[in-house]
Amino acid sequence: GENVEQHPSTLSVQEGDSAVIKCTYSDSASNYFPWYKQELGKGPQLIIDIRSNVGEKKDQRIAVTLNKTAKHFSLHITETQPEDSAVYFCAATFGRAGSYQLTFGKGTKLSVIP
Amino acid sequence: DVKVTQSSRYLVKRTGEKVFLECVQDMDHENMFWYRQDPGLGLRLIYFSYDVKMKEKGDIPEGYSVSREKKERFSLILESASTNQTSMYLCASSFWDVSNQPQHFGDGTRLSIL
Repeated sequence: GENVEQHPSTLSVQEGDSAVIKCTYSDSASNYFPWYKQELGKGPQLIIDIRSNVGEKKDQRIAVTLNKTAKHFSLHITETQPEDSAVYFCAATFGRAGSYQLTFGKGTKLSVIP
Repeated sequence: DVKVTQSSRYLVKRTGEKVFLECVQDMDHENMFWYRQDPGLGLRLIYFSYDVKMKEKGDIPEGYSVSREKKERFSLILESASTNQTSMYLCASSFWDVSNQPQHFGDGTRLSIL
């Protein structure tokens, strides 16, 4: 099946700095790549996603880039704030029509230091 | 907003008990999923369902079963609970074409097996 590698596993940044989380995937047929944020005691929440026909997508302070040739995608958070502290997961789709699944990376714990 | 509701936030059961975890979604999604989340292992898929009465095994189905009698409800069953099933369980739902649609998660059930 699909394999998704996520790095780093932990990341500490000063408030106002940028944070970058990187993921690689193994299935060249994957065409959808969501990112989730999980705060303590809550389920993962979708924060941004990108489809394979797009190389970059931005939503305010958050951006995602995709390189299909190299099979990697990244999450960029600019001007980080303490409320950005959470665990972030990347994911990629694999499977067949009617039976698609998401495979998740193991997560990155982001700490934003005030 | 999509609402995925898991019936219990915390649950404590004993070894050998039959345990039911319930999940309800209100967005008429075709697909529903059960994951378990363990530190350092990320989210691992147990079972999923793409239609009423349909189910497919995920990566770690052993010791679990599922039931989907109605479109909005998906139950995870631990046939005979064991201590290694102590974990956070997350339910998710999505539209049929998961190849480019996000999954939406509940807030999880933290299950302890004593």
